[in-house]
Amino acid sequence: EAQVTQNPRYLITVTGKKLTVTCSQNMNHEYMSWYRQDPGLGLRQIYYSMNVEVTDKGDVPEGYKVSRKEKRNFPLILESPSPNQTSLYFCASSTSGVREQFFGPGTRLTVL
Amino acid sequence: QKEVEQNSGPLSVPEGAIASLNCTYSDRGSQSFFWYRQYSGKSPELIMSIYSNGDKEDGRFTAQLNKASQYVSLLIRDSQPSDSATYLCAVQLNTGGFKTIFGAGTRLFVKA
Repeated sequence: EAQVTQNPRYLITVTGKKLTVTCSQNMNHEYMSWYRQDPGLGLRQIYYSMNVEVTDKGDVPEGYKVSRKEKRNFPLILESPSPNQTSLYFCASSTSGVREQFFGPGTRLTVL
Repeated sequence: QKEVEQNSGPLSVPEGAIASLNCTYSDRGSQSFFWYRQYSGKSPELIMSIYSNGDKEDGRFTAQLNKASQYVSLLIRDSQPSDSATYLCAVQLNTGGFKTIFGAGTRLFVKA
């Protein structure tokens, strides 16, 4: 089954404790992207990657890191999480020729 | 700051009616436009994509694009209660990359 998977689905952590949210897709997609979704603000792009070792900032990259060492994986790293990073996070992927995105199930993160 | 604006709603229509959802965007060079549907607690899923001026129909859904007016719309004919969801307008910028701006979404309620 073609899908984008994210882990964990739910996470409660404390300020300053480094965490990684994993994202993996099995569709051989070149493009991958991370978004956060907050009430009233919609989806905001954090980082995106056009292929292995190629990443670029979206609209809200501060406080986040990403890496793309394999085509299928695009982890999101919070080196020192803060309460304002409490949000619902989505990973998405797309082929290079088609720009429609497939979204993962989401990760709900709470930073205390 | 590139923007995508949507009326947050809620938009309430009776079953069988036409629901009309609207979106405006600020980046005149934008090339790719999308409508996603998001049920509560779920991830966004693609409804329609449109790349050139005019109408594009797919079943009960019609997307309309007017680049001169920087306006995208989605019409849902014969609305069903199962169409009740939040509809997100998304615009991919003409940067050669994958930067995507989402609107905050319009909540649609279809009354049985």
